[in-house]
Order: sequence, then C-alpha cells, then structure tokens
Amino acid sequence: AQSVTQLGSHVSVSEGALVLLRCNYSSSVPPYLFWYVQYPNQGLQLLLKYTSAATLVKGINGFEAEFKKSETSFHLTKPSAHMSDAAEYFCAVTPSGGGADGLTFGKGTHLIIQP
Amino acid sequence: ETGVTQSPTHLIKTRGQQVTLRCSSQSGHNTVSWYQQALGQGPQFIFQYYREEENGRGNFPPRFSGLQFPNYSSELNVNALELDDSALYLCASSLASGTILSGELFFGEGSRLTVL
Repeated sequence: AQSVTQLGSHVSVSEGALVLLRCNYSSSVPPYLFWYVQYPNQGLQLLLKYTSAATLVKGINGFEAEFKKSETSFHLTKPSAHMSDAAEYFCAVTPSGGGADGLTFGKGTHLIIQP
Repeated sequence: ETGVTQSPTHLIKTRGQQVTLRCSSQSGHNTVSWYQQALGQGPQFIFQYYREEENGRGNFPPRFSGLQFPNYSSELNVNALELDDSALYLCASSLASGTILSGELFFGEGSRLTVL
C-alpha cells in the first residue's frame, strides 16, 4: 500500500522567490513518484517524474524535485516563482515494477503567487 | 495528435439515477484510467482498463463500472447515484506495456457531476 502527504494545503510566495512544495510518501515497495499541476477548470498536467534513474529530476517550467529515500520525500522546487505558476499541485506515487494500482495522490497544495 | 477528451463537461443528476461519462483517449494510447476528484481533494483511482479488460481497481463499490472499446475510448457508469458521488471525474490515458503503468498519464479536463 502507498500514501502521500503534502504538507501545507496553501503555500504563498512572492513573485521571484523560491518555491518549495513538500511531499512525503509511504510505499511498501520502491516507488515511482510524480508531480502534477492543475490549473482552474482543467485536467492534470505532468510536471516531472521519478522512475528510479537520477534522484534529481528536472521537469517543465523550471521545476525540479529530488528523491530522498532516507527521508521518504520528493519535494518540488523552483528557484524563482512566476505569476503563471499559481495553480494546484499534486504529488503522486505508484509502485514501481509493474501492476495496475493506479496513482495515489496527495490532497494537493494550492500555490499562491504574490505580486 | 489529439488529447484526451471527455463528455459531458457538466451534468446534474438526482439521487438514485444512473450516469454515463465518456472519454476518448489520446491518439496511440491503449490504457485508460478513471479518477474521482472531490472538491478540495486529490484524485482517487477508480479503475483502469487495458485491452478492453479491467486490470486494476481502487476502493470503489461495484456500482462504479466501466467499459473500454476497441478504439480505446472508454465509459464510466455509476448506478444508484448518491450525494457523495458529486465530484469531478477525470479520465486519463497512457501507453502501457502489459500491465506496466508508466505513470505518465495524460488527463482530460473532466466531467463535473452534481448529484442533488
């Protein structure tokens, strides 16, 4: 079984500041981890994924995340926030190596960008 | 290449009724999965179809059922609607080999169901 905890339902940063969205996971087997972004009234778009290759993963729009097994974390960062980054962000986990268990999502973090 | 499309975008039903939601997969994708996203929550996995067979299911009762057609499009059917079924229903397609789920899901914009 797997689960995801996203710390902070809302995160507010100033434009140009560092973005840090936290994700901790629990998984009984080595995981695949993902970050998705959801803009208002839209579906989810994949930002980046970790599938047991490099632990530092770079994604779209300048986002990156680092897989830390010892901390069971997969935090999402961006060096400089832009107004267009305002959205809902979801961390998700699925067992690696096969199966059809679907993705287990966290409850999401709403990112607010202050001008 | 066309993306994932869902219909209808919005609908309102009353408790006890039945609903069918439809999804067209992204071109070339052979696997479709459905998720329920309640207001203020993350999506929850309902089930997945591969080669017209359900090959994975989340913690949802049997009144949630689905179909996948030879062209990989899909339907989600919900019988005996309850108030708690009000949610955004997301369809996602992917290219899977056997039962391997790469996790790179491509989502539609969803069907928002309101049950009164």
